[in-house]
Amino acid sequence: EDQVTQSPEALRLQEGESSSLNCSYTVSGLRGLFWYRQDPGKGPEFLFTLYSAGEEKEKERLKATLTKKESFLHITAPKPEDSATYLCAVQARDNFNKFYFGSGTKLNVKP
Amino acid sequence: GAGVSQSPRYKVAKRGQDVALRCDPISGHVSLFWYQQALGQGPEFLTYFQNEAQLDKSGLPSDRFFAERPEGSVSTLKIQRTQQEDSAVYLCASSSPLAGIDYGYTFGSGTRLTVV
Repeated sequence: EDQVTQSPEALRLQEGESSSLNCSYTVSGLRGLFWYRQDPGKGPEFLFTLYSAGEEKEKERLKATLTKKESFLHITAPKPEDSATYLCAVQARDNFNKFYFGSGTKLNVKP
Repeated sequence: GAGVSQSPRYKVAKRGQDVALRCDPISGHVSLFWYQQALGQGPEFLTYFQNEAQLDKSGLPSDRFFAERPEGSVSTLKIQRTQQEDSAVYLCASSSPLAGIDYGYTFGSGTRLTVV
């Protein structure tokens, strides 16, 4: 069964303190792995799509990497405005009509 | 429009009441999705439309849930005889086949349904 597990559930960082969020996945043929950011009261906002092991993508202070079993979202020198819940999702090649989402990591960056 | 619009933003329903949730996707987006997000959880797939055709409804939790998109644009998710376990945020997303999955899907802000 396709599934996604994210850790930690919650993470508190000081401004400037770099860290990583983990997304472990099981899928029958990966079509794509997605990272989204969700602010309170809003829908998920797209960040990255990764397709194959070894791929990396960057956007400002965020960098996403992918292996055959997990993905990491690295946050370098975070700022308070990076506080949000970060969601990971996968799409399977044999059923790309749906995402399987993890429960998210709630990041709180203190000034 | 510029984004996916959902209405109402908040809905309180008495147990047993029927509700209808509306989604206006981005103009020209062929694909439309509904997801259910319980508190503290990630979104869970409910159903998928391509134009007016409902191609996948495997995630609808019971026959009390019904979705339609009669003209291939606006979609409505209807829940009959609401139960407390239906309390959640209902998210709508749309995408264009031209963009592919490189840009993910665009989600609306959701409708928060509370059943009392």
